[in-house]
Amino acid sequence: EVQLLESGGGLVQPGGSLRVSCAASGFTFSSHSMTWVRQAPGKGLEWVSTISGRGGSTYFADSVKGRFTISRDNSQNTLYLQMNSLRAEDTAIYYCAKNVMSWYFDYWGLGTLVTVSS
Amino acid sequence: DIQMTQSPSSVSASVGDTVTITCRASQDISSWLAWYQQKPGKAPKLLIFATSSLQSGVPSRFSGGGSGTDFTLIINSLQPEDFATYYCQQAHSFPPRFGQGTKVEIK
Repeated sequence: EVQLLESGGGLVQPGGSLRVSCAASGFTFSSHSMTWVRQAPGKGLEWVSTISGRGGSTYFADSVKGRFTISRDNSQNTLYLQMNSLRAEDTAIYYCAKNVMSWYFDYWGLGTLVTVSS
Repeated sequence: DIQMTQSPSSVSASVGDTVTITCRASQDISSWLAWYQQKPGKAPKLLIFATSSLQSGVPSRFSGGGSGTDFTLIINSLQPEDFATYYCQQAHSFPPRFGQGTKVEIK
């Protein structure tokens, strides 16, 4: 059974940094691209970033480019999102998702809440 | 970037009704479209990919259609567990983008 479990969310001040993680199990992690999608309170879904299976290719939304970094540790089946220079508008639930057929997302974690506030 | 527009933004329906949600892409995405269901406080769930292919375990009362720029999600014989928000998403090209969502509410 595929499982994705995010962790690391919390309250951070504007301009601060935070790293969220996603522990994966139940599938061959290194064979799949992985993605972060976020959802601001009461809002819709926003794609944030994707990393290829071996980590050689990364993609970012314009809203986070230059501030966020995505990485993965295939030996630990873990996905990361390093978030720097955080802004109030980055406040959201951050979901990790498993890619299938390039840009579809077939499994999602429960999400971790990141709140950027002073 | 390809923009995705859903309509309506919300719909009220009763158990047993048929609900149709539409999604329009700002440019041709062929059949590269997915639909997700999200219940309050839960993660999104993939329902349909490639416009009309049901994800494993999804009931057959859900169906998808369309091509190019115009797509539909149809829910036949609406069940209590179907009251949720539904999102379309284009998977044709980078960046992947979601529609704004359609909330299916109980009438």
